Amino acid sequence: DQQVKQNSPSLSVQEGRISILNCDYTNSMFDYFLWYKKYPAEGPTFLISISSIKDKNEDGRFTVFLNKSAKHLSLHIVPSQPGDSAVYFCAASRGGVYSSNTGKLIFGQGTTLQVKP
Amino acid sequence: KAGVTQTPRYLIKTRGQQVTLSCSPISGHRSVSWYQQTPGQGLQFLFEYFSETQRNKGNFPGRFSGRQFSNSRSEMNVSTLELGDSALYLCASSSVGGRYDLNYGYTFGSGTRLTVV
Repeated sequence: DQQVKQNSPSLSVQEGRISILNCDYTNSMFDYFLWYKKYPAEGPTFLISISSIKDKNEDGRFTVFLNKSAKHLSLHIVPSQPGDSAVYFCAASRGGVYSSNTGKLIFGQGTTLQVKP
Repeated sequence: KAGVTQTPRYLIKTRGQQVTLSCSPISGHRSVSWYQQTPGQGLQFLFEYFSETQRNKGNFPGRFSGRQFSNSRSEMNVSTLELGDSALYLCASSSVGGRYDLNYGYTFGSGTRLTVV
């Protein structure tokens, strides 16, 4: 039972254009969502997160949008650069006041982004 | 400040053996989580430690265990290795492993690549 899904295994965009990476989830108890970037032979690098009480969060070229009714989030990268080429993971966390989910992130399968010069 | 340090980077073991992996979190971070990454299953949560106590555990067999020391360094151990244990093992550190930390993401190390032959 995959609770976080990234249905597009790969995405190719031209340098300077917008990259849109998508993620769907099934568990309505998730209250934080994160995006990570990963290069081969390295650990994931945190990009941006969003709390379930918000619908948008921006950090420089990166914007995450959350649509709770559709259980969908997306990461927008504008403008895309060749150095953005990597695998992008969406992750979710289920917290709560009496959380027993400390330190636990549930990851999607990842989307490989290629930005062409 | 120094990042999350995992040792060794690469390891080759034989089926039936046991292995110990080490993770030194960012200075001041007290929560350490462990993840397994495989091509088939993606990134999966193993367990989380805080103040030398395991607070959270994923769905892995008892052959996978861990511990945390008073300086927050953590080790994970896999006994009776199987071919399917071949994976990239990642640890992540955060201040306390709670929801507040999710605004900044958990910081991952570069991982230990374990190959079981």
